[in-house]
Amino acid sequence: GQQLNQSPQSMFIQEGEDVSMNCTSSSIFNTWLWYKQDPGEGPVLLIALYKAGELTSNGRLTAQFGITRKDSFLNISASIPSDVGIYFCAGQYANNDMRFGAGTRLTVKP
Amino acid sequence: DSGVTQTPKHLITATGQRVTLRCSPRSGDLSVYWYQQSLDQGLQFLIQYYNGEERAKGNILERFSAQQFPDLHSELNLSSLELGDSALYFCASSVVAGAINTQYFGPGTRLTVL
Repeated sequence: GQQLNQSPQSMFIQEGEDVSMNCTSSSIFNTWLWYKQDPGEGPVLLIALYKAGELTSNGRLTAQFGITRKDSFLNISASIPSDVGIYFCAGQYANNDMRFGAGTRLTVKP
Repeated sequence: DSGVTQTPKHLITATGQRVTLRCSPRSGDLSVYWYQQSLDQGLQFLIQYYNGEERAKGNILERFSAQQFPDLHSELNLSSLELGDSALYFCASSVVAGAINTQYFGPGTRLTVL
């Protein structure tokens, strides 16, 4: 199925650094969602965004719903080793159908 | 532990067979979602049920079907299995039917089709 364009594909950063990842699409979404998945586990919903321009924080995580409703970004500030994992964006249509990005694999070096 | 349970944890079967995956949502959650995660297709939304009724449909093949029972557990049926159906199948649950603000995933069922 059609996927969102998520970048970067992977990131290797030093503990304490900030991280930024984004998703773009040719489609307009009603909701943007960001998930994190640890190895061998199911995804965990981190942040949900409902309105164009909305900026939402969850601890050290901040995400924004793009004005065009076709993009979203996720920032992680002051990264720590437990931030390691794969981060997925997802766009949800008005009919609740969803599309996922291919994921950003984050590695944090202590 | 998310409170969502999925059985079985692993399933190995042959092409052409039919299997049923089971999901029990968290207590109080009315909505159940099914997702497929494979190496080549990534994460894909399959279908959503809310209080027994189909609510949304994603990239679900015609060979696949699902239902949600009165006790709110859900089953995903996969038939005429093909090698490409090998994947992790996740179930998730939430309280609401529409906009998701909390959603809990189960541990997944790993399906291997030989």
